[in-house]
Amino acid sequence: NAGVTQTPKFQVLKTGQSMTLQCAQDMNHEYMSWYRQDPGMGLRLIHYSVGAGITDQGEVPNGYNVSRSTTEDFPLRLLSAAPSQTSVYFCASSSTGGNEKLFFGSGTQLSVL
Amino acid sequence: KQEVTQIPAALSVPEGENLVLNCSFTDSAIYNLQWFRQDPGKGLTSLLLIQSSQREQTSGRLNASLDKSSGRSTLYIAASQPGDSATYLCAVRSIQGAQKLVFGQGTRLTINP
Repeated sequence: NAGVTQTPKFQVLKTGQSMTLQCAQDMNHEYMSWYRQDPGMGLRLIHYSVGAGITDQGEVPNGYNVSRSTTEDFPLRLLSAAPSQTSVYFCASSSTGGNEKLFFGSGTQLSVL
Repeated sequence: KQEVTQIPAALSVPEGENLVLNCSFTDSAIYNLQWFRQDPGKGLTSLLLIQSSQREQTSGRLNASLDKSSGRSTLYIAASQPGDSATYLCAVRSIQGAQKLVFGQGTRLTINP
């Protein structure tokens, strides 16, 4: 019953550093996505994928890269961290078809100093 | 562009009361609408998903309704309990941009014993 697993739970970076947030799901979901949650801004979609080898941009993609080499994994890469990327990041997955519930991971709290 | 609004931002009621949370959206061309619960420091949990062809969905003490033509959904919580205290978010999957859920900013609910 793992569902969607995110690592790490907490991370502190210095401006300019790079890192990868990991996301894995064990439900064989085709759709995976990354959101960031900021006070007063709500949840905003960063990138999403509808299957292995297929990714697309969401609402706020700048400064982030993704890839989807397997159905299970969808890592989010911060290329050169900036203080504006301080946020809580959530990975989510669902089956495709348009009418499926979205399952969320527990989140990664990222601070960029 | 789809916009989702939840009013009020916060609500405090005594234990045992029935209550209604509101969600409105600007584009009625939707596949579905989901209600989520988020506890502090945690990810989101999907509570109910209403497909565009449905008028309501029920799960235990929760009932969600959808009026697509007026762009409104409500989440009814019966006999509220302190354990219901959380932030409740609604999210809409539009027909245009179907892979991009649009979230409201949530209603922070406090149930007082």
